[in-house]
Amino acid sequence: EVKLVQSGAEVKKPGASVKISCKVSGYTFPDSYIHWLKQAPGKGPEWMGFVDPDDGETKIAEKLQGRVTITADTSTDTAYLVLSSLTSDDSAVYYCARGLEQLSRLDYWGQGTQVTVSS
Amino acid sequence: EIVLTQSPVTLSLSPGETATLSCRASESVGNSFIVWYQQKPGQAPRLLIYGPFGRATGIPDRFSGSGSGTDFTLTISRLEPEDFAVYYCQQFDTSPLTFGQGTRLEIK
Repeated sequence: EVKLVQSGAEVKKPGASVKISCKVSGYTFPDSYIHWLKQAPGKGPEWMGFVDPDDGETKIAEKLQGRVTITADTSTDTAYLVLSSLTSDDSAVYYCARGLEQLSRLDYWGQGTQVTVSS
Repeated sequence: EIVLTQSPVTLSLSPGETATLSCRASESVGNSFIVWYQQKPGQAPRLLIYGPFGRATGIPDRFSGSGSGTDFTLTISRLEPEDFAVYYCQQFDTSPLTFGQGTRLEIK
C-alpha cells in the first residue's frame, strides 16, 4: 500500500523558516516524483515544486524561487520542503503528493501539514 | 500559466440526482491531461478521474469525465451521500501544474 506520511503541524513567527517532511512507503522512492502543494483556506491547491528522488533534480514555481527548497533523502525515503522568510500569507495546509512524471496527475497524497504564521 | 475556472461555485442537489461540474481552461489542454479530485473536510484531495476514460482505484463508474479543448466536465450519476464534497480539476499539459478553484457539491 502506497503511503505518504507528513510531519506535524507547525507554528512559526514571521520571518522564520519551516521544514516539513514526507516519508513514503509502499513503492520504490526513486521511481516517482514528489510534488509539494499549498492549500489556503477555501482555495484550490497551488503547486509549489517537485523533486526527483532519483537524481535530486528540482523545479520550483517561479513566484517561490529563492524561498523554497525541496530535497529528497533516498536513505530514508523521505522528501522535505523548506519555506523561508515566512509571512502570514504562508499560513496554509501543505501537501506532498506522488507524481509519475514532472508534469503529472497526483495519485497519492500525504495527509497535509498545517503551518500557522503568527507573531 | 493555464488558468482553470470551475463552475458552478456551489451545486445543491439531492441524493439520486446527477451532478454536472464544469472546468474551463484559459487555453487548449489535451484531454489526457485533465484530472479530477474529490476533497472532503480535513482530508487531502483524492484522485478520481484521469484521461478520457480512466478512473482511479476504487472509484465507482457513477463518476465519469469528458470534454476536450478548453471545456471539460465531471459527471456524477445517482448521487450518494458520500459524494457531497468539493471537487477540483487539474491540468498537467503545461508547466506549472494548475488547479481550479473548486466546486462545492452540497446536499439540497
